[in-house]
Amino acid sequence: NAGVTQTPKFRILKIGQSMTLQCTQDMNHNYMYWYRQDPGMGLKLIYYSVGAGITDKGEVPNGYNVSRSTTEDFPLRLELAAPSQTSVYFCASSATGTSGRLGYNEQFFGPGTRLTVL
Amino acid sequence: QKEVEQNSGPLSVPEGAIASLNCTYSDRGSQSFFWYRQYSGKSPELIMFIYSNGDKEDGRFTAQLNKASQYVSLLIRDSQPSDSATYLCAVKEAAGNKLTFGGGTRVLVKP
Repeated sequence: NAGVTQTPKFRILKIGQSMTLQCTQDMNHNYMYWYRQDPGMGLKLIYYSVGAGITDKGEVPNGYNVSRSTTEDFPLRLELAAPSQTSVYFCASSATGTSGRLGYNEQFFGPGTRLTVL
Repeated sequence: QKEVEQNSGPLSVPEGAIASLNCTYSDRGSQSFFWYRQYSGKSPELIMFIYSNGDKEDGRFTAQLNKASQYVSLLIRDSQPSDSATYLCAVKEAAGNKLTFGGGTRVLVKP
């Protein structure tokens, strides 16, 4: 299993350009997440999905869009890129069901995409 | 807004010593707590989780939880240079699988 894969690894965008960050998982996980991590900071949730066709906003959704047409893929779309979107983007996935008494399932992270907007 | 607070560090410890990391959270309804390790330029990886008050040990790592004080900590015993990383505290919401992350504590273990 490849786990969670992300493309591209690096990207430089000009202000106002658009792009799609790709995320694929081969673990048949229903839950998928997009985070951003600014330098020296923790992870902020952008969007998440609990299954194909179902998405919801996280803590910092402005300037981003997502779709989830299949279980495996969860692309993140940036429209009209701004310097404030310069960050490292991590995609993650987790299984449904329960694991342990309180129903948590471990989130597995992809390698990240480092995005710079100039 | 749910908040998770950590001292950003760096926390410098000599090799073989104990590293002690702290985390506080604002949502009193939180039930599950996680420690992720993140090496520079890499993605986070889960090293510990805890949901009951008290201590949980796994190898050289011990997680401690005090829900009354809304406080969770991580102890790293016999610290090794390979433990040098940023440690992220994460708190799970009461329902669902969303996590709120702290800003992370950078740990430097010096030989």
